[in-house]
Amino acid sequence: GENVEQHPSTLSVQEGDSAVIKCTYSDSASNYFPWYKQELGKGPQLIIDIRSNVGEKKDQRIAVTLNKTAKHFSLHITETQPEDSAVYFCAASPGSHYGGSQGNLIFGKGTKLSVKP
Amino acid sequence: SQTIHQWPATLVQPVGSPLSLECTVEGTSNPNLYWYRQAAGRGLQLLFYSVGIGQISSEVPQNLSASRPQDRQFILSSKKLLLSDSGFYLCAWRGYRDGQETQYFGPGTRLLVL
Repeated sequence: GENVEQHPSTLSVQEGDSAVIKCTYSDSASNYFPWYKQELGKGPQLIIDIRSNVGEKKDQRIAVTLNKTAKHFSLHITETQPEDSAVYFCAASPGSHYGGSQGNLIFGKGTKLSVKP
Repeated sequence: SQTIHQWPATLVQPVGSPLSLECTVEGTSNPNLYWYRQAAGRGLQLLFYSVGIGQISSEVPQNLSASRPQDRQFILSSKKLLLSDSGFYLCAWRGYRDGQETQYFGPGTRLLVL
């Protein structure tokens, strides 16, 4: 089955710097890779996702890159702000199903990002 | 648009008492539904998922059970709570939004068992 490793577990940056969080996955059949941001006491919020037919996707200050050959994907946050402080989770799944367990997301263990003003 | 609701938001229960947490989804039909538990400062543990009414799959053996009496309703239950059941319980739905299949989480229920 799929296994997702996420690094680092904690990350501290100065406001305005960039932050990069990396994930690797084991199942080459995985083709859907979402990223979630979880603020304290709240449910995780989907912030960006990428599918395997795309190598990079950008939405304002956040971007995700995917390297299918190496089976890793990364979240990039530029010009970080204090409100970016949160726990970030990556996930992977063979997303082309509808119904059944084979589409269930496998999550990384999370990265706690702290942005210092 | 699709929304997901969970209640209660916070719950304090004594050991040995029963539990019922409810999750409902609006604006979509036949979603996959999920229950996750998150211990303090930890990752997301998948407890149950459901691909349709009455269809429940359990990922880990435990003191909890789940039911899906209606298409957009998912209930997490226990007959007798344990201290170890404390945590943050998250419901999620997976389905199509804007033509793309993806997964969204609810606001969560914080459960403290004393």
